Amino acid sequence: RKEVEQDPGPFNVPEGATVAFNCTYSNSASQSFFWYRQDCRKEPKLLMSVYSSGNEDGRFTAQLNRASQYISLLIRDSKLSDSATYLCAVTFAYNAGNMLTFGGGTRLMVKP
Amino acid sequence: EPEVTQTPSHQVTQMGQEVILRCVPISNHLYFYWYRQILGQKVEFLVSFYNNEISEKSEIFDDQFSVERPDGSNFTLKIRSTKLEDSAMYFCASSAGRNDEQFFGPGTRLTVL
Repeated sequence: RKEVEQDPGPFNVPEGATVAFNCTYSNSASQSFFWYRQDCRKEPKLLMSVYSSGNEDGRFTAQLNRASQYISLLIRDSKLSDSATYLCAVTFAYNAGNMLTFGGGTRLMVKP
Repeated sequence: EPEVTQTPSHQVTQMGQEVILRCVPISNHLYFYWYRQILGQKVEFLVSFYNNEISEKSEIFDDQFSVERPDGSNFTLKIRSTKLEDSAMYFCASSAGRNDEQFFGPGTRLTVL
């Protein structure tokens, strides 16, 4: 079983829509959670960390559900510039070196 | 805003040749990482480095790979004898603390012919 899984999409949404992605992780010994954004052939850019209490940054809201072992990312009022691949990343307590384990990414396409 | 930098942006090499990929992490960061991404695949961890030694490495990071921090600013990844399947984007990342966010450099695209 893969450690971190995401629906690859693509999610095609109109401008202004609200869209949500989930990311499931297989191991309860998870420690830290992050959402990254990756544009085509570019580096992952940190979008936000995901805290147990949930957190919000402008149009973006991240939540963690430890019981069901998933994290979510909600994007409100989608912009054309939000079109990208969204990667979730998890660290596990059993890894000594704080390695990030990435999901395969969810592709979002926002259309006018 | 401080950022991770990497050179070169693109490296083309012949199979069997050695390559060195260079990174300058964010200046006050203490933890350094290398990841790679084969085209169309997910980002994969290679190695983490702290206090001048490897903290963790993946199965990908075999004897052909090595890392070094030759001075106070650079962090390098060496591949001794490149193989075709080493063709990928190689990303360097750094973090201030062990559990802190990791910030990625723009990557080096390695093409092995």
